Amino acid sequence: DQQVKQNSPSLSVQEGRISILNCDYTNSMFDYFLWYKKYPAEGPTFLISISSIKDKNEDGRFTVFLNKSAKHLSLHIVPSQPGDSAVYFCAASEKGGGNKLTFGTGTQLKVEL
Amino acid sequence: GAGVSQSPSNKVTEKGKDVELRCDPISGHTALYWYRQSLGQGLEFLIYFQGNSAPDKSGLPSDRFSAERTGGSVSTLTIQRTQQEDSAVYLCASSFRDPRSYGYTFGSGTRLTVV
Repeated sequence: DQQVKQNSPSLSVQEGRISILNCDYTNSMFDYFLWYKKYPAEGPTFLISISSIKDKNEDGRFTVFLNKSAKHLSLHIVPSQPGDSAVYFCAASEKGGGNKLTFGTGTQLKVEL
Repeated sequence: GAGVSQSPSNKVTEKGKDVELRCDPISGHTALYWYRQSLGQGLEFLIYFQGNSAPDKSGLPSDRFSAERTGGSVSTLTIQRTQQEDSAVYLCASSFRDPRSYGYTFGSGTRLTVV
């Protein structure tokens, strides 16, 4: 049972434009959501997180939006750069579940020149 | 070290053999996690250690899998009688501050191939 879903396995965007990566979840006990970026042959790198009491969190070019009623979150990257090309994982932490995370299957972002 | 170190980076083993995967977390990080990523899948939680507390083993897929963390630092993940479905990238991570807000720091992983 996939509790965190990333339905788009890949996304292609032109340099300078906005990249929007989407994530849906089913578990209403999730209270924190995180995004990680992964380059080939490297471990995932933490990007940004959001608490379920907020609907937006911004860090430089990265903004995460949370819509609790729709159980949906998205990561916006503006402007997109070629170095942003990577696999992006959405992850969630369950309230009272310790610090373990449930991950989605990832979206491969390609930023083209 | 500056980051989370995992060894070996690649391991090919025959079905039925035992393997040990090692993780050196960032010095001072009190929490240590093991995840694995099978082909085309997301990261799957296996086990986590927090300080001196009993580890959370709820993600271990079978009793062939075990892990220990010695002296609150280095951790070893052991897989006994390996099966082909154990083939995956095994990732270790560590954290110090609240990982829900600050994330984990992952190592580069061990790619395990069972033939």
